[in-house]
Amino acid sequence: GAVVSQHPSRVICKSGTSVKIECRSLDFQATTMFWYRQFPKQSLMLMATSNEGSKATYEQGVEKDKFLINHASLTLSTLTVTSAHPEDSSFYICSANTWAGGPDTQYFGPGTRLTVL
Amino acid sequence: AQSVTQPDIHITVSEGASLELRCNYSYGATPYLFWYVQSPGQGLQLLLKYFSGDTLVQGIKGFEAEFKRSQSSFNLRKPSVHWSDAAEYFCAVFIQGAQKLVFGQGTRLTINP
Repeated sequence: GAVVSQHPSRVICKSGTSVKIECRSLDFQATTMFWYRQFPKQSLMLMATSNEGSKATYEQGVEKDKFLINHASLTLSTLTVTSAHPEDSSFYICSANTWAGGPDTQYFGPGTRLTVL
Repeated sequence: AQSVTQPDIHITVSEGASLELRCNYSYGATPYLFWYVQSPGQGLQLLLKYFSGDTLVQGIKGFEAEFKRSQSSFNLRKPSVHWSDAAEYFCAVFIQGAQKLVFGQGTRLTINP
């Protein structure tokens, strides 16, 4: 159980275009979803936390107009990288949990490799 | 500030040898601790977690970790590693106030045949 999927697994786009990445919890309802960015050989950096039906909370230094997050349902969150540039190239990973006011395990998606040419 | 430190960036061990990956945390309250493993180009898989109770926690794939409050540590161990254990390992602490995970820098494990 507790499977999180991401689509696409990898995407290549031209500079200036927008890219949407989907994150789905397949067998549970995720009250909270998280988006991380991971640079090569580095740790995961939290970009934002999203709760179903409300605006995402962005970490300091993350441009909310650049990285649009929508958590439309209890099983789906999307990250849109707007007007992508080469420096946005990275590995984006989402996670989800059934947060209900106490600690819970985050289940991670397989990640999306974004390359901006 | 809350943080997690994994002192070893890269560890190499021989197949069949024992393994210990170090993790130290800085957190004022009761820590909720996790170990995750990441294979190349993949997301993270949960190995084990500690919330409370027995300080020796058993996980998947033969891994275990021991929570030592006095040392602010949560080291990951395995008695005998397999070539398939080669991966990146991340320790993380859950920050209750901010409701988010903070990860260590990761330890890359290489297995020699």
